[in-house]
Amino acid sequence: EIVLTQSPATLSLSPGERATLSCRASQSVSSYLAWYQQKPGQAPRLLIYDASNRATGIPARFSGSGSGTDFTLTISSLEPEDFAVYYCQQRSNWPSIFTFGPGTKVDIK
Amino acid sequence: QVQLQESGPGLVKPSGTLSLTCAVSGGSISSSNWWSWIRQPPGKGLEWIGEIYHSGSTNYNPSLKSRVTISVDKSKNQFSLKLSSVTAADTAVYYCARNGGRLVGATQAFDIWGQGTMVTVSS
Repeated sequence: EIVLTQSPATLSLSPGERATLSCRASQSVSSYLAWYQQKPGQAPRLLIYDASNRATGIPARFSGSGSGTDFTLTISSLEPEDFAVYYCQQRSNWPSIFTFGPGTKVDIK
Repeated sequence: QVQLQESGPGLVKPSGTLSLTCAVSGGSISSSNWWSWIRQPPGKGLEWIGEIYHSGSTNYNPSLKSRVTISVDKSKNQFSLKLSSVTAADTAVYYCARNGGRLVGATQAFDIWGQGTMVTVSS
């Protein structure tokens, strides 16, 4: 089973700053990685799929990069609404299972 | 646009069976998508429970497989989750979600989510 780890656990930044979040897979997942944003009391929202493609309606300040085992989600300039928890996710073929990383909380400094 | 809505009891007794339904609106459950259940214990991360296709084919998380049954009712455009022998560790917000399929490239990702329903296991 592929394990996803995320770092840092918490990122304290101010609005307007750049956020860089990391996701590492225990073995290669090629480019098959997604990122989600979750705000308190809400369901997760898909941000990025295929490691670097923005989902429908996602602002351009969100970008994803990476392949193999190391991935990055970048928020170029934090808006007040971007303070949330971010999860990475992949699907492995054997066993056939979806897994999520433990999450990175981006909070206001 | 497709929307998902979970429903079911918010309180289940220990050793009982948790039963939830996800109603699909604005689209057909018989589309070329898989449909999943995902849960999130209070203050914790996301755990995938299992998925179903409209044909009835299923995949389950091995860690829960012995206790999980997911079924589909095409006539009602909905799918359901049953989790047996529940304990306090099964207390969580339960989400239903759609695997976006080709809409999300080659990654198997969840593009549509229900709002979630809190289920507490307690006597």
